[in-house]
Amino acid sequence: QSVLTQPPSVSGAPGQRVTISCTGSSSNIGAGYDVHWYQQLPGTAPKLLIHGNSNRPSGVPDRFSGSKSGTSASLAITGLQAEDEADYYCQSYDNSLRVRVFGAGTKVTVL
Amino acid sequence: QVQLQESGPGLVKPSETLSLTCSVSGGSMSSSYWSWIRQTPGKGLEWIGYIYYSGSANYNPSLRSRVTISVDRSKNQFSLKVRSVTAADTAVYFCARDTGTNWFDPWGQGTLVIVSS
Repeated sequence: QSVLTQPPSVSGAPGQRVTISCTGSSSNIGAGYDVHWYQQLPGTAPKLLIHGNSNRPSGVPDRFSGSKSGTSASLAITGLQAEDEADYYCQSYDNSLRVRVFGAGTKVTVL
Repeated sequence: QVQLQESGPGLVKPSETLSLTCSVSGGSMSSSYWSWIRQTPGKGLEWIGYIYYSGSANYNPSLRSRVTISVDRSKNQFSLKVRSVTAADTAVYFCARDTGTNWFDPWGQGTLVIVSS
C-alpha cells in the first residue's frame, strides 16, 4: 500500500480534461514537501512531467498542469490526446519514512 | 543532454548478489546525485538509494543493510549491489539523475532482473 494514494484509473474522450489526484498525509505533502509527476508510456521508463508541484520541464506540453493544496496534489491533462495514454505517478518526500515516495500510479485511458 | 544506460545480468540466483552498472553519457557526473530506483507490479516504484559524485551515499532504510552504491568517476559510471537477494528483489531497475531531495530526471531505460534458481 503506497504512502501516496492515486486512483487506479481515469479515462476521457479525446479533447476532454482529466485530473489525477494524489493524496498524502502530514508527513509528506501536508508537511510542505513538493510533489512531482511522471509519465510512463508502455514499456518505457518514467519521464518527468511536472516538478515542484506545478513546473513543467522544457518540452512538456502546456496541456499538463499540476497543483497542490493541503495534503493533496493534482495533475490535470487538458485537450486529452491518444498519445497521453500512459501511467502517471506522483512522488514526494516522507519525513517519517525518510525517503522519497511514489504513488501506485494511475492509468489514463483515452476512449 | 545527459543519457543513462543500465547494464548487468538479467538473472540472479537466490542468496547471491545482484550487481548493476549505470553508464552516464552526454554530460559530467559532477555536482549531481545519482539514484537507483526499482519497479515491481506489487510494490510499484521504490527508491533504493543515491550516491553523490564525491562518493557519499544515502540509502532507503528498508534496504540499507543489503545495498551498496558506488561511483567510478573515471568511467562516468555508478553501480548498485544488492546482497542476499530473494524473489522479492525481482524488479525492473532504473538509474536516474537525482536532485538530492526532490525529483529524478532523466531516467535510464531500465533493466529487468529476475531472482530465480
